[in-house]
Amino acid sequence: DGGITQSPKYLFRKEGQNVTLSCEQNLNHDAMYWYRQDPGQGLRLIYYSQIVNDFQKGDIAEGYSVSREKKESFPLTVTSAQKNPTAFYLCASSMGPPREAFFGQGTRLTVV
Amino acid sequence: GQQLNQSPQSMFIQEGEDVSMNCTSSSIFNTWLWYKQDPGEGPVLLIALYKAGELTSNGRLTAQFGITRKDSFLNISASIPSDVGIYFCAGYYGGSQGNLIFGKGTKLSVKP
Repeated sequence: DGGITQSPKYLFRKEGQNVTLSCEQNLNHDAMYWYRQDPGQGLRLIYYSQIVNDFQKGDIAEGYSVSREKKESFPLTVTSAQKNPTAFYLCASSMGPPREAFFGQGTRLTVV
Repeated sequence: GQQLNQSPQSMFIQEGEDVSMNCTSSSIFNTWLWYKQDPGEGPVLLIALYKAGELTSNGRLTAQFGITRKDSFLNISASIPSDVGIYFCAGYYGGSQGNLIFGKGTKLSVKP
């Protein structure tokens, strides 16, 4: 079945450690996105990529990094520079413009 | 940056009642999307609207793209317990693929 897979579902890390969240899609979509969701808030864009080896900062890119070495994969690294990393992270993909972006099931990151 | 105002923030209704929620913006969008998110899961696309005035249904759900292109509404008829969740609107104003803006969501609770 085609879809977007995020792993792990839950992730715990100590403060000051970098952590990488995985996102894989087999929908043959060109574009991929990372969003952050906090309670009572809408989704805020961290990074997006329209094509392999290219990505752009979103509204809240500080403290995050990404790579797009393969069309299917768009991992997100939450670095120690991110001041408030505890959140629900959502990966999405779309064929072209994000008009019909499809989401993964999310990763809940807790930093202690 | 661009912002969407989504209302109401939350609704608590009786099973069988109809539900209406809306999103407004000070800016023009050329696409409106409606998503539903269950607790701990990623949003699922319900309805996509591409033209001003467009009215689209998906089962008991109906959404409309406002004539001014600055608003959209979602109606749910004859609510059932599985309608519980958070409903998000999202607007896309073209250009960069990162330009998909999300509302803060409407939390729907249904009492059997």
